[in-house]
Amino acid sequence: QKEVEQDPGPLSVPEGAIVSLNCTYSNSAFQYFMWYRQYSRKGPELLMYTYSSGNKEDGRFTAQVDKSSKYISLFIRDSQPSDSATYLCAMRSGGGADGLTFGKGTHLIIQP
Amino acid sequence: DTAVSQTPKYLVTQMGNDKSIKCEQNLGHDTMYWYKQDSKKFLKIMFSYNNKELIINETVPNRFSPKSPDKAHLNLHINSLELGDSAVYFCASSLSGWEDTEAFFGQGTRLTVV
Repeated sequence: QKEVEQDPGPLSVPEGAIVSLNCTYSNSAFQYFMWYRQYSRKGPELLMYTYSSGNKEDGRFTAQVDKSSKYISLFIRDSQPSDSATYLCAMRSGGGADGLTFGKGTHLIIQP
Repeated sequence: DTAVSQTPKYLVTQMGNDKSIKCEQNLGHDTMYWYKQDSKKFLKIMFSYNNKELIINETVPNRFSPKSPDKAHLNLHINSLELGDSAVYFCASSLSGWEDTEAFFGQGTRLTVV
């Protein structure tokens, strides 16, 4: 079993829809959870950062972490064509020098 | 004003050659990383350096050797390149404290071995 599982998609939804992206993980030591967005031929950029369990909201984006189920989610409201990208979940157990363990990424397509 | 910059952006080379990729960050971060992204977009850490000291060295062939001349630079040298080394290599940097530490990524170096 891989440490972080993420459905690679592609996931195609119409503009304005609510998008739900998910990851599951096996390592209970993970404490820091992130979502990165990666456009084609670009580097990943951080969208959301959550420590331990709970919800975090930033504009149209909401991140949820359920450590008891080892499950994290990213919700995108009122999705826009510009949200079309690959979304990578990432996590780490300790301080920043630990590096990140990534999921395989979900390719999201928002149809105009 | 680029935060994490890598050179070159594209690199095409023949099997057996030796090549280097350079990375520089101007964010004042103390930790730098190399990640490899394969053809299926899977991003995996290779090395982590904190204040010029090697912290993480994942299972990577010893043909790959990172070098950090100072905490703003982390270069990656690859000897005897193989077809399977073709990938996109990303440099990243962050602060190593236990508080929020966003990792900033460079734009990647697309390496193609022919």
